[in-house]
Amino acid sequence: GENVEQHPSTLSVQEGDSAVIKCTYSDSASNYFPWYKQELGKGPQLIIDIRSNVGEKKDQRIAVTLNKTAKHFSLHITETQPEDSAVYFCAAKEGNNAGNMLTFGGGTRLMVKP
Amino acid sequence: DSGVTQTPKHLITATGQRVTLRCSPRSGDLSVYWYQQSLDQGLQFLIQYYNGEERAKGNILERFSAQQFPDLHSELNLSSLELGDSALYFCASSVADRNQPQHFGDGTRLSIL
Repeated sequence: GENVEQHPSTLSVQEGDSAVIKCTYSDSASNYFPWYKQELGKGPQLIIDIRSNVGEKKDQRIAVTLNKTAKHFSLHITETQPEDSAVYFCAAKEGNNAGNMLTFGGGTRLMVKP
Repeated sequence: DSGVTQTPKHLITATGQRVTLRCSPRSGDLSVYWYQQSLDQGLQFLIQYYNGEERAKGNILERFSAQQFPDLHSELNLSSLELGDSALYFCASSVADRNQPQHFGDGTRLSIL
């Protein structure tokens, strides 16, 4: 099955700086890669996603890049703000999976210092 | 607010007991998913239903079962509970059964004493 590794496990940045979180996956048939933000006491919230036929996607201060050859994808947050502080999860969906199950990375705790 | 509703928010029970967690998907979503989140295992997929039928199964224990009803709400049943079953249980939903974004509820925190 799919295996997703995520780095770093914790990331501390100054407000206004950029943050980058990286994930690698093992199944070359994986075709969908969402990113989730989880705040304390809440469920994971989808913030951006990318499909395997696209190399980059941007939504305001958030962007995701995908390198299918190297089997890794990254989340980029620019001009970080204190409200960006949360745990971020990457995930991958296996292309050969009959359903829509996601395999998640271990999470990155992002702390944005004002 | 994702539109996915989970009840109850908290559940405290003892080993050996049985509990039922409930999930109402977003309006218009036909597929529901159950995930378990624990400190040592992270977010793990349990099971997916689409329009009442099981679509995919993860590492779900035999003591756990789920179903999706005609009104599309879903229930996750956990029996013979063990201390290690203490975790957050999330439900997610999506419009279709494949290649669709999943939207999560705020979970049920299960504590086994």
